[in-house]
Amino acid sequence: GAGVSQSPSNKVTEKGKDVELRCDPISGHTALYWYRQRLGQGLEFLIYFQGNSAPDKSGLPSDRFSAERTGESVSTLTIQRTQQEDSAVYLCASSRGTGSNEKLFFGSGTQLSVL
Amino acid sequence: AQSVTQLGSHVSVSEGALVLLRCNYSSSVPPYLFWYVQYPNQGLQLLLKYTSAATLVKGINGFEAEFKKSETSFHLTKPSAHMSDAAEYFCAVSEGGYNKLIFGAGTRLAVHP
Repeated sequence: GAGVSQSPSNKVTEKGKDVELRCDPISGHTALYWYRQRLGQGLEFLIYFQGNSAPDKSGLPSDRFSAERTGESVSTLTIQRTQQEDSAVYLCASSRGTGSNEKLFFGSGTQLSVL
Repeated sequence: AQSVTQLGSHVSVSEGALVLLRCNYSSSVPPYLFWYVQYPNQGLQLLLKYTSAATLVKGINGFEAEFKKSETSFHLTKPSAHMSDAAEYFCAVSEGGYNKLIFGAGTRLAVHP
């Protein structure tokens, strides 16, 4: 497709289970970002990829959160031993380059609900 | 650290009325500033951005924003609201020399007939 694709669109899981969220960026986009949006709050930066490497992981809330990216393509965000406070919309964005002047394209997000 | 404050989590206007969504930022360096819109069940879309060129920035759908350094503000305006403008609006500032955005909490705009 032409845009950033995220899957699944909705995920309901039980506390303590692991989840994997997937992001397919726009083809050719070298930069990829993960954000989290809790109910009633703004977006929180989680991690940024330039190609396969992650120069900035400063937003990952705990060591239960990890992310990887293969090639300059798909990225997965993994949350281990999910907690109720992990419930949020997880948004992925990509851009052609990394400069602040580059336009970010956002996916529609994955709504994660931890019961 | 940079931060963004959006005054008013909910704003309601009549169709045809002026839209004013407020955003104040803090930054120790000249910022890049953005407004994004999120329509129901859709991803965020860029409305406009300020990148140290003209202080009055025009965006899509008739929106514009003015960068005021003295007030550390970047308020979003539209002269005449349309029903289709109902959405959530996010102000953001970039940090770190790359496209890492710090977002405000968002303002939900309702437009009534």
